[in-house]
Amino acid sequence: DIQMTQSPSSLSASIGDRVTITCQASQEIRNYLNWYQQKPGQAPKLLIHDASNLETGVPSRFSGSGSGTTFSFTISSLQPEDSATYYCQQYDKVPLTFGGGTKVETK
Amino acid sequence: QLQVVQSGSEVKKPGASVKVSCTTSGYTFATSGFSWVRQAPGQGLEWMGWINTNNDATVNDQKFQGRVTLTTDASTSTGYMELRDLRSDDTAVYFCATSLIVAGVFESWGQGTLIIVSS
Repeated sequence: DIQMTQSPSSLSASIGDRVTITCQASQEIRNYLNWYQQKPGQAPKLLIHDASNLETGVPSRFSGSGSGTTFSFTISSLQPEDSATYYCQQYDKVPLTFGGGTKVETK
Repeated sequence: QLQVVQSGSEVKKPGASVKVSCTTSGYTFATSGFSWVRQAPGQGLEWMGWINTNNDATVNDQKFQGRVTLTTDASTSTGYMELRDLRSDDTAVYFCATSLIVAGVFESWGQGTLIIVSS
């Protein structure tokens, strides 16, 4: 199975800060990497697919980059409503696997 | 507008089975796929398997081989996930997620179904 390692596991940042999360795959996954946002008690929400493609309706402060084994997810200017847990997920190989999540809190 | 609605929470005893439903509307059911993802309390997301709603082909995580069955009913645009021989560590929220374009991209999610396994 492909292991997805996210870092950090949690972070706290101020409103307006730039926040970056990394996701490392245990083997090459091309660009088959998605990012989801999950708020407490809710289902995950797709933000970015194929490493860097913003889902329709998602604010442009969210972005993603990377290919191969190393990926990053950035919030350019953190907003209060961005407090959530973020997950990366690969779909290059079965079983599809998720990262362990990064909990983002606003100070 | 695409909607995904799951069945309600259930409490089951160890060794029992559970069948969770996922009813969709607002798109052409037969042109997509469903994945099932679960989340144990306070834990991360775990993919369980996927079904193609056009031909009912399935791909499951080997971890669940023999215990999980994915099916669909096109007449009601509903997908089902049955998990057998339940154990306490199957206690989780179970989500269905649709993949309209690419099988591994989960565009829309149900609200989740809490399954508690307890004696």
